[in-house]
Amino acid sequence: QITLKESGPSLVKPTQTLTLTCTFSGFSLTTSGVGVGWIRQSPGKALEWLAILYWDDDKRYSPSLKTRLTLTKDTSKNQVLLTMTDMDPVDTGTYFCAHRPSNRNGYKDWGQGIQVTVSS
Amino acid sequence: DMVVTQTPLSLPVTPGEPASISCRSSQSLLHSNGYNYVDWYLQKPGQSPKLLIYMGSYRASGVPDRFSGSGSGTDFTLKISRVETEDVGVYYCMQGLQTPFTFGPGTKVDIK
Repeated sequence: QITLKESGPSLVKPTQTLTLTCTFSGFSLTTSGVGVGWIRQSPGKALEWLAILYWDDDKRYSPSLKTRLTLTKDTSKNQVLLTMTDMDPVDTGTYFCAHRPSNRNGYKDWGQGIQVTVSS
Repeated sequence: DMVVTQTPLSLPVTPGEPASISCRSSQSLLHSNGYNYVDWYLQKPGQSPKLLIYMGSYRASGVPDRFSGSGSGTDFTLKISRVETEDVGVYYCMQGLQTPFTFGPGTKVDIK
């Protein structure tokens, strides 16, 4: 059974740095083709793709957020971390991590999401 | 970035009747390997999105066969052969051909 769970602060102040952790089980990030992505959703809005980290440590970011995002992984802990700098109220929303088993697959498994509010 | 659009944005449906949603991308999603890199997701209220269809027409595990995906290149369709009340929610298509992956604006499906 594959599970993913996001963790991190629910409230951050403007200009602060947000670090979210995706802890997963049931698959390995060392398996060829596997990716773990981050997607967010502002209240009442559509899904927005943020970034993906692949099994070979290839990292891809949304160009509009590229300067603010960093992905890292801890393979021994089965974790992927997303760091977002210079948080703003417009970054308020629910952040999801999701598992992409291979290049020929969608985001097959999702975490429950974590609500992040940016407010002073 | 590739732009993905969906129509309609709102779709009232009658249980037992068919329904379809269109997804269009600004560039072809057909890879040289013959696969179309488009996925369909359903997000029910208060839940995480769930993968329904991947690579344009492949049903994800456990997805009822009333859901089907078709299309190639830039135009894709999700069809529900007979809508059930549990199918309400927001449907998103997503292009997974090149990063940044992009989602459509979503189609809200509810019961008439």
